[in-house]
Amino acid sequence: NAGVTQTPKFQVLKTGQSMTLQCAQDMNHNSMYWYRQDPGMGLRLIYYSASEGTTDKGEVPNGYNVSRLNKREFSLRLESAAPSQTSVYFCASTTSGGAGEQFFGPGTRLTVL
Amino acid sequence: ILNVEQSPQSLHVQEGDSTNFTCSFPSSNFYALHWYRWETAKSPEALFVMTLNGDEKKKGRISATLNTKEGYSYLYIKGSQPEDSATYLCAFSGNFNKFYFGSGTKLNVKP
Repeated sequence: NAGVTQTPKFQVLKTGQSMTLQCAQDMNHNSMYWYRQDPGMGLRLIYYSASEGTTDKGEVPNGYNVSRLNKREFSLRLESAAPSQTSVYFCASTTSGGAGEQFFGPGTRLTVL
Repeated sequence: ILNVEQSPQSLHVQEGDSTNFTCSFPSSNFYALHWYRWETAKSPEALFVMTLNGDEKKKGRISATLNTKEGYSYLYIKGSQPEDSATYLCAFSGNFNKFYFGSGTKLNVKP
């Protein structure tokens, strides 16, 4: 089992460029999440998908879109990248919503110049 | 947006010391409280998930308690070892599958 995988691991963008961060899990989990991690701020929820076919906003959704492509995959899109989106992005999944432990991917380090 | 607070922000202890951290969260709409261990350059890993008031969980030298009525949880490490050095995160889950993380307590254990 690979667990939760994320691509790419690193990315540098120029302001205004777009990109999609990919996340996949092979644990048959229902719920998937996207977080960003900034110094001194812990993990902040961007978007989540409680189950296949549904997505909802988290704390900091502005500037992002998501797609739950199927049960395994949950992608995060930046349509027009801004320097404020420089961060480390983590994808996570869980089987039981709020009471299930989350399994995290290795993270994507994104720099927007 | 819910406020989840962790204290202290950082902690430096000597090998063999016992230590504890606090996580404070809203006492209303409680569903679960999670603790995660996060080593540098790695991903967070789950330590405990607690759902009931009065819950106590233990894994080796690490244990946690939960008080949902007053909105706090304690994480204890007995006899800290250098390999315990990491950031410890707590996360509150209310309804609707959302998680709210604290900013973490960074523990450094000196040999």
